[in-house]
Amino acid sequence: DGGITQSPKYLFRKEGQNVTLSCEQNLNHDAMYWYRQDPGQGLRLIYYSQIVNDFQKGDIAEGYSVSREKKESFPLTVTSAQKNPTAFYLCASSIGRSRGPGGEAFFGQGTRLTVV
Amino acid sequence: AQRVTQPEKLLSVFKGAPVELKCNYSYSGSPELFWYVQYSRQRLQLLLRHISRESIKGFTADLNKGETSFHLKKPFAQEEDSAMYYCALRTLDTGRRALTFGSGTRLQVQP
Repeated sequence: DGGITQSPKYLFRKEGQNVTLSCEQNLNHDAMYWYRQDPGQGLRLIYYSQIVNDFQKGDIAEGYSVSREKKESFPLTVTSAQKNPTAFYLCASSIGRSRGPGGEAFFGQGTRLTVV
Repeated sequence: AQRVTQPEKLLSVFKGAPVELKCNYSYSGSPELFWYVQYSRQRLQLLLRHISRESIKGFTADLNKGETSFHLKKPFAQEEDSAMYYCALRTLDTGRRALTFGSGTRLQVQP
């Protein structure tokens, strides 16, 4: 079953703890993305990666970190430095080209993170 | 930097009425525009893209570079169209190649 998988679906974190959200894809896509979805604010880009071992900050990268050691995987760590981490997090992937029309972005089911 | 604006948070129409969800963008280079849709309890998915110039589920959208708009239209709304709709932009030239999304419009189609 091809697609993009995020885990876990729900995650609870105590204040001051780091937590890592998983994102895996078997679509053979080069590009992967992390977005944060808040009511009334749409999707805001946290980090993106166009190729293995490379990633770029998005619009709201502070308090987050990523790695891209494998093509299939793009985990997101929410650190204790993130002031307001409670949100819905979406991972996506696409073919990824440096120029011209890009491919469709496919999204995971999302992870809802709650700080308790 | 690129920016996408969706001025309406909520659009409520009756079944059979025409629908227009507004989207304006700002980007100095060449953009690629998309509409994504999120039905209740489903993943965010692509509805249509301006490059394809196709109609999906009766929806169409035309890129107007003069007005920097990409409004989504459907002549006769159906109840199953109720969902969250996001307009998105990606650059066709060099630069940030990730999608930039608007804040979204919730479409409610009432019976």
